[in-house]
Amino acid sequence: GEDVEQSLFLSVREGDSSVINCTYTDSSSTYLYWYKQEPGAGLQLLTYIFSNMDMKQDQRLTVLLNKKDKHLSLRIADTQTGDSAIYFCAESNDYKLSFGAGTTVTVRA
Amino acid sequence: DTGVSQDPRHKITKRGQNVTFRCDPISEHNRLYWYRQTLGQGPEFLTYFQNEAQLEKSRLLSDRFSAERPKGSFSTLEIQRTEQGDSAMYLCASNMVGVGYGYTFGSGTRLTVV
Repeated sequence: GEDVEQSLFLSVREGDSSVINCTYTDSSSTYLYWYKQEPGAGLQLLTYIFSNMDMKQDQRLTVLLNKKDKHLSLRIADTQTGDSAIYFCAESNDYKLSFGAGTTVTVRA
Repeated sequence: DTGVSQDPRHKITKRGQNVTFRCDPISEHNRLYWYRQTLGQGPEFLTYFQNEAQLEKSRLLSDRFSAERPKGSFSTLEIQRTEQGDSAMYLCASNMVGVGYGYTFGSGTRLTVV
């Protein structure tokens, strides 16, 4: 079965880079995703990476995928107060998503 | 298109009552999913539809839960004889077959069973 794990908390100073890490177990994952959830809101897709890629950059976001180690990371450059939220790693191999428990990112001034 | 809509946003009910939630997906999306999210956890898959056919149900979906998508457009999720353990955020999502990255989630229905 699928299992996705991530660290629970990250505190970062405004302007610094944030790195959120995730490991997964399903080697047949096709896509891996990062979602953002703000209090009381639904899930916002931040970015995704196809399993045959090892890096994807999208403005302040950089996703790194190590398929051999089943490790996914999200780097947020120049972290802002608006980046404070819960970040979920997820994977899928066809239709359903399997999520980690989420990393709460707190940005301090 | 305004995205995936869920109604109501919040529902408080007494234990033992039945509740029904509605999800309106993005109109051209043929797949519709239901997930449940409890406090401090990531969303967990409950069930999904392709058009009007319900193709998979998670073991989390006890026989008190039923979901329908009668015309392949909106969907309803009904919980009968609610229990306190049913308190959670119920999230709906939709996408097109073959577009694995194209999930769009609604804002969810928060259910509190008292």
